[in-house]
Amino acid sequence: GAGVSQSPSNKVTEKGKDVELRCDPISGHTALYWYRQRLGQGLEFLIYFQGNSAPDKSGLPSDRFSAERTGESVSTLTIQRTQQEDSAVYLCASSLDFVGATGEKLFFGSGTQLSVL
Amino acid sequence: GNSVTQMEGPVTLSEEAFLTINCTYTATGYPSLFWYVQYPGEGLQLLLKATKADDKGSNKGFEATYRKETTSFHLEKGSVQVSDSAVYFCALIQGAQKLVFGQGTRLTINP
Repeated sequence: GAGVSQSPSNKVTEKGKDVELRCDPISGHTALYWYRQRLGQGLEFLIYFQGNSAPDKSGLPSDRFSAERTGESVSTLTIQRTQQEDSAVYLCASSLDFVGATGEKLFFGSGTQLSVL
Repeated sequence: GNSVTQMEGPVTLSEEAFLTINCTYTATGYPSLFWYVQYPGEGLQLLLKATKADDKGSNKGFEATYRKETTSFHLEKGSVQVSDSAVYFCALIQGAQKLVFGQGTRLTINP
């Protein structure tokens, strides 16, 4: 596709359930990032992929959060046993190469709005 | 670690007013600096960038100059329009590290 695609766009779940959020980056983009944006707050880095490996997982809030990427393409962010504080917009972004190397810009998806009741 | 501090919002201006959104950063060395914008209902998109000291990024009438002496990258526009209403994020990256964002500033322009 032409841009970064995220699905679902909205997800409402009950506390304690597991959720999977999907990101389809722009074709050919090797770098993929997940960020979280809680209401009224800034973007919080979660994890970064270069190809299929994740050199930086430092932002994952707890062991309930995990992410994987396959085929240097689709990435899935999984949140197990969701809690109300997990409610946020989860944003995915991709770039042609690692942003720091060239100053290459990030392309963001529209995000998944997760609401945990 | 690296961090970005933005002017707190929300900011409300009248059309054709002058805009400044302050951004200062903390980093060792020489980061690259960015302004991203999020229009209502859309994803974030790059507005402008500067990769070295004294560089000026510009786009859509917006400008920001990389000031190493004051560790700042303030966003300015001489005459804002209603269509500029959005949330603006200042960000930096340095070397093999993640892009770090400020908390965002919501801008509303009234006709």
